Amino acid sequence: AQSVTQPDIHITVSEGASLELRCNYSYGATPYLFWYVQSPGQGLQLLLKYFSGDTLVQGIKGFEAEFKRSQSSFNLRKPSVHWSDAAEYFCAVGSPGGATNKLIFGTGTLLAVQP
Amino acid sequence: DAGVIQSPRHEVTEMGQEVTLRCKPISGHNSLFWYRQTMMRGLELLIYFNNNVPIDDSGMPEDRFSAKMPNASFSTLKIQPSEPRDSAVYFCASTYGRNTEAFFGQGTRLTVV
Repeated sequence: AQSVTQPDIHITVSEGASLELRCNYSYGATPYLFWYVQSPGQGLQLLLKYFSGDTLVQGIKGFEAEFKRSQSSFNLRKPSVHWSDAAEYFCAVGSPGGATNKLIFGTGTLLAVQP
Repeated sequence: DAGVIQSPRHEVTEMGQEVTLRCKPISGHNSLFWYRQTMMRGLELLIYFNNNVPIDDSGMPEDRFSAKMPNASFSTLKIQPSEPRDSAVYFCASTYGRNTEAFFGQGTRLTVV
C-alpha cells in the first residue's frame, strides 16, 4: 500500500534562510507526487506536482521539489524563506494506475518563520 | 470558477444530533473526495466518488457516517448520531481526470459538544 512519511513535525527557520522539508514515500512504481500548503483556517493549496519527466519541479511562491527515485524522496525546497511562508506543508502521493486521483497525505510539517 | 464550496464553514452541535456537511465541486470535475483532518490522525481520506458513484468508502470510520452524491454538482457527508470524537475539520476536494491535482474547499470545522 502506498504511504507518505514526513519525518519533521515542526521546523523553525529564520526569515531569509533556506528551507528543505523532507518527504519519503512508499509505492511500487513511480507515483504521482504533490506538495500542498495550508495556512491557518484555510484549505489546502497546491504548491507543485510531479507526474513524470524532469525530476526537478518548480512550483508557486518560489518553491521547488526534487524527485529522487533511489531515495524514494520528494523534498521541498526554497532558497530564501519569507515570513508569509509560515504554514503547514503536506506531501501527498497518488496512484498513476488508479481510476482517480486518490491522494494519500503525510502528517504534515508545521513551518515557523522567525524574524 | 469559485472553486470547491463547502458549507457550513463552522458547525457546533450537541452529541447525538445529526450533522450534514455539504460540498459543491468545481464544475466539470468528475471525482470528489471527503477528507477529515485532526491533530491526532492528520488528513484521512473518508470516501471518494467518481462520476457520482462511490468508489472507495473504506476510510469511513463507522456506520454513523454516510455520504451521497446525487448529482455532479453536490455531495453531502452525514453523521448520525454525532459524537465528540467526530470533532474535526472536514474537507471536500474535487479533480478532473487522472493527471490533475485535487482542489480543496475551505473546510467545515465541526465541534460536537
